[in-house]
Amino acid sequence: GAGVSQTPSNKVTEKGKYVELRCDPISGHTALYWYRQSLGQGPEFLIYFQGTGAADDSGLPNDRFFAVRPEGSVSTLKIQRTERGDSAVYLCASSPVGGGTDTQYFGPGTRLTVL
Amino acid sequence: RKEVEQDPGPFNVPEGATVAFNCTYSNSASQSFFWYRQDCRKEPKLLMSVYSSGNEDGRFTAQLNRASQYISLLIRDSKLSDSATYLCVVKTGNNRKLIWGLGTSLAVNP
Repeated sequence: GAGVSQTPSNKVTEKGKYVELRCDPISGHTALYWYRQSLGQGPEFLIYFQGTGAADDSGLPNDRFFAVRPEGSVSTLKIQRTERGDSAVYLCASSPVGGGTDTQYFGPGTRLTVL
Repeated sequence: RKEVEQDPGPFNVPEGATVAFNCTYSNSASQSFFWYRQDCRKEPKLLMSVYSSGNEDGRFTAQLNRASQYISLLIRDSKLSDSATYLCVVKTGNNRKLIWGLGTSLAVNP
């Protein structure tokens, strides 16, 4: 079946601009996660949704970052007033329930470059 | 101190070699442990979960030592296709988020 998909695959923007990154989880997966991975680093947790609500947003670096999942499936990560330090690969993952042992399935990521 | 620490490598080994990766975690409340594999410019993929009793999947063996807060991954008879970055991952209690190490880079050479 279809895996997690993310669009766009690449996004180049200028400092100060607004961007939206989209994630389509595996159908039926109630848990959705956003991570950010900088070059040479492991992924860094940003936010986790259970259904429509953000169950844990402790990883969002500041108030320029916001994410929504209005219908409990597709999620959008929104970044305002982008900065060069926001350049990274933004990874989305989903899992069936979100329990302690649920495997998280990752999408291919969106590579964001802020010039 | 980072929550999950790994030797970043790179490890360069010949085909057929046995290679071991180590990882330590700082939170003693951590309950779930995983090894993920990530190929260059690709997303991470689950290689195996790590259980207290240790577990094996073909050429791959994972071990967990809770007392020392230490996780290991052993790859036997390494193949060229094993070349990748191996990421140690920890989940704490009911917390859903994964905490990742930096990853250990492996290059298997012919």
